[in-house]
Amino acid sequence: DTEVTQTPKHLVMGMTNKKSLKCEQHMGHRAMYWYKQKAKKPPELMFVYSYEKLSINESVPSRFSPECPNSSLLNLHLHALQPEDSALYLCASSRRPEGTGDYEQYFGPGTRLTVT
Amino acid sequence: AQSVTQPDIHITVSEGASLELRCNYSYGATPYLFWYVQSPGQGLQLLLKYFSGDTLVQGIKGFEAEFKRSQSSFNLRKPSVHWSDAAEYFCAVGFSTSYGKLTFGQGTILTVHP
Repeated sequence: DTEVTQTPKHLVMGMTNKKSLKCEQHMGHRAMYWYKQKAKKPPELMFVYSYEKLSINESVPSRFSPECPNSSLLNLHLHALQPEDSALYLCASSRRPEGTGDYEQYFGPGTRLTVT
Repeated sequence: AQSVTQPDIHITVSEGASLELRCNYSYGATPYLFWYVQSPGQGLQLLLKYFSGDTLVQGIKGFEAEFKRSQSSFNLRKPSVHWSDAAEYFCAVGFSTSYGKLTFGQGTILTVHP
């Protein structure tokens, strides 16, 4: 089973709202990722968690706050977003963030976020 | 700087025709190479991967790809395209030292005519 689940599927929020995106995997993967994807563009890496610790932050604005409460769960807390943050937010996981055979990432279906 | 190039933004083929999607990368070391497929509004599905060994790799849905070190290429092929293959295809590159970070190409949109 290579399933990564994400909730909600769709989210509409105002610029003053606080919301959270949730990602879950039960494959025993120890690396989890958040990506942002705008229309007709490839995914852009936002954060990498490795063994529940934040290992990469691609200079993401502080209005996006990731959290990894345990090895199966990854959250993305959203606060005071801008309309340009509207995008598809994808979560992915891999067995480890390094090593042959452990590297491939499996993606969830994404959350379509609209900021009004 | 590291880069991944998919030269074809949009490709149209007839159902049953063969397909080749191109991917070139610019890196010093041998990378890990991947092809992903994405249907509209969906997540990315891993089609195949190359880490080392046999340079011709088989993937799901009848796809294969060949790593050519001399050309820095990892082209995706399918002998006979089905209408359900219409989607966007992304080539991606990573390294053992990049700590999970993948660099994606800009994507190729595949349209299949009946």
